[in-house]
Amino acid sequence: DSGVTQTPKHLITATGQRVTLRCSPRSGDLSVYWYQQSLDQGLQFLIQYYNGEERAKGNILERFSAQQFPDLHSELNLSSLELGDSALYFCASSVESGGYTEAFFGQGTRLTVV
Amino acid sequence: ELKVEQNPLFLSMQEGKNYTIYCNYSTTSDRLYWYRQDPGKSLESLFVLLSNGAVKQEGRLMASLDTKARLSTLHITAAVHDLSATYFCAVGRGSGGGADGLTFGKGTHLIIQP
Repeated sequence: DSGVTQTPKHLITATGQRVTLRCSPRSGDLSVYWYQQSLDQGLQFLIQYYNGEERAKGNILERFSAQQFPDLHSELNLSSLELGDSALYFCASSVESGGYTEAFFGQGTRLTVV
Repeated sequence: ELKVEQNPLFLSMQEGKNYTIYCNYSTTSDRLYWYRQDPGKSLESLFVLLSNGAVKQEGRLMASLDTKARLSTLHITAAVHDLSATYFCAVGRGSGGGADGLTFGKGTHLIIQP
């Protein structure tokens, strides 16, 4: 168990809908990352928050947004969902340490858009 | 744009054999990660390599980094069935430490047969 908690584990929704994925980082970790894993795109970095502020942006669609709250949990909001958004969404957290950062991944939320 | 290429993408091998997975990346980075993923599961951190010539070993797995060649290898010695999984290498997108997202290779799907 990495200590990173994601809810829900599974989510099935219809096209055009909006969903929210939740992530609680490891105790003491200030950084939260969101990744998408799909068969055709592989593992892609979406966005990173550090202590409530957006820190880095990857291949995140405009229909997607995220935020990190004062208690450091994070939410990833996916709207106007399309079939192609079906994927495994991972959250990871890290504490900056020296010259590198090791990220620990949650169990993921499997999103199915029908 | 940072690109990370792994090969092979699929590897079937027999127990007791040795093999190497290769990871090439396109731009300078100061950190290279190896992760393991079992089917439908999260990513487990195996190694973090931070400097040229770094070598780390854990059990039957050994990882090395050549920053000049922009190449990392994951060597499997005397493979056992329990090592069957998908192995990903990932490269830090930034440099000089600090937290940011990772760019992943497509993964090497490893099957070890008795």
